[in-house]
Amino acid sequence: DVRLVESGGGLVQPGGSLRLSCAASGFSFPTSWMAWVRQAPGKGLEWVANIKEDGGERNYVDSVKGRFTIYRDNAKNSLYLQLRSLRVEDTAIYYCVRDTSVELDKMWFDALDTWGQGTVVSVSS
Amino acid sequence: AIQMTQSPSSLSASVGDRVILICRASQGIRSDLGWYQQKPGKAPKLLLYGGSNIQGGVPSRFSGSGSGTEFTLTIDSLQPEDSATYYCLQDYSYPRTFGQGTKVEV
Repeated sequence: DVRLVESGGGLVQPGGSLRLSCAASGFSFPTSWMAWVRQAPGKGLEWVANIKEDGGERNYVDSVKGRFTIYRDNAKNSLYLQLRSLRVEDTAIYYCVRDTSVELDKMWFDALDTWGQGTVVSVSS
Repeated sequence: AIQMTQSPSSLSASVGDRVILICRASQGIRSDLGWYQQKPGKAPKLLLYGGSNIQGGVPSRFSGSGSGTEFTLTIDSLQPEDSATYYCLQDYSYPRTFGQGTKVEV
């Protein structure tokens, strides 16, 4: 079974830090791009960041650049998101997601095909 | 960043109806678009990728079309379990961006 399990969420004060973890199983983690997507309470989905298989490329949404760091440990089949300088507006469910590429007729398409159950981050004083 | 706009924001339809959800991109994104379904309290689920390619295990009543700036998700013969919020996501460029979602009530 392909599975992603997040952990590390919690309540933190504005300006604080937190590290989210995601344990992957059931697929070849070292050969998979991975991503984080978040959802504020009662709001829509927001793509946060992704990382290449070897960690050599990382992309972020502007609102978290310089504050969040995505990284991975392929030996542990784990993905991480380090959150720093947290703001109230970072309050959300954070989902760990597998970012797959599919080839069809010599064309490549991306898809977020596997999602964890999410971990809740609450930023409040 | 590319802006994705979905319409309508919500709709109500009956079992057996056909519904069409629209997603528009602020610039051309070829066919680099996915559709996701999210039920309350659950993680999103991939329905289609590449604009029109159905993900394994997804019922065939779901279909997608479009390229460039306008895309549609069609649900034929709507079922009670299709009550959910549907999101489009462009994967043409970074940062990836989602539409604001369309809530479907059956």
